[in-house]
Amino acid sequence: SQTIHQWPATLVQPVGSPLSLECTVEGTSNPNLYWYRQAAGRGLQLLFYSVGIGQISSEVPQNLSASRPQDRQFILSSKKLLLSDSGFYLCAWVITGGTEAFFGQGTRLTVV
Amino acid sequence: QKEVEQNSGPLSVPEGAIASLNCTYSDRGSQSFFWYRQYSGKSPELIMFIYSNGDKEDGRFTAQLNKASQYVSLLIRDSQPSDSATYLCAVTKTAGNMLTFGGGTRLMVKP
Repeated sequence: SQTIHQWPATLVQPVGSPLSLECTVEGTSNPNLYWYRQAAGRGLQLLFYSVGIGQISSEVPQNLSASRPQDRQFILSSKKLLLSDSGFYLCAWVITGGTEAFFGQGTRLTVV
Repeated sequence: QKEVEQNSGPLSVPEGAIASLNCTYSDRGSQSFFWYRQYSGKSPELIMFIYSNGDKEDGRFTAQLNKASQYVSLLIRDSQPSDSATYLCAVTKTAGNMLTFGGGTRLMVKP
């Protein structure tokens, strides 16, 4: 079966510290992977998407970056976190054709 | 204009009533439309998707799509307190597979 794993579930980091969130997918090959961020009480903002290894597209220029080192691995990073980076980060796997999206459990990031 | 718009709510309905959630989108070439339910602190879960004009029913849920008006809605019959959540409308772009989400509507079903 197809599953998507995301960790950690919660994270509290000081301003200026680095960030690494990892997302892995099982049960499929060459998935289309996405990182979304959700501020409190708001909708999902698309940050990055990747259609293959080493292929990253950014929707919103900001303090974050993404990498796709392996087919089923998608990583969200930052060199120096800002307070405004706080939010709920979701990794998603969208089936080719956009017929459905599966989400990871999400990471609640609080920058203090 | 936002690509996908929803009234943020909260929409409050009594238990047993019909809840009607609405969504409009700007890209006339949009092809697929989705409704997700999100409980506080949790990731979204898919309720329904619809591709063709008209109604699609699944249990207590009915999705309605009107491409001419660029409008998609979700009806929840016999609303239950457990339906209280934020409902997210999502649309696929014509290019690629990206899902673009609306801001969500918070639904409160009162016993």
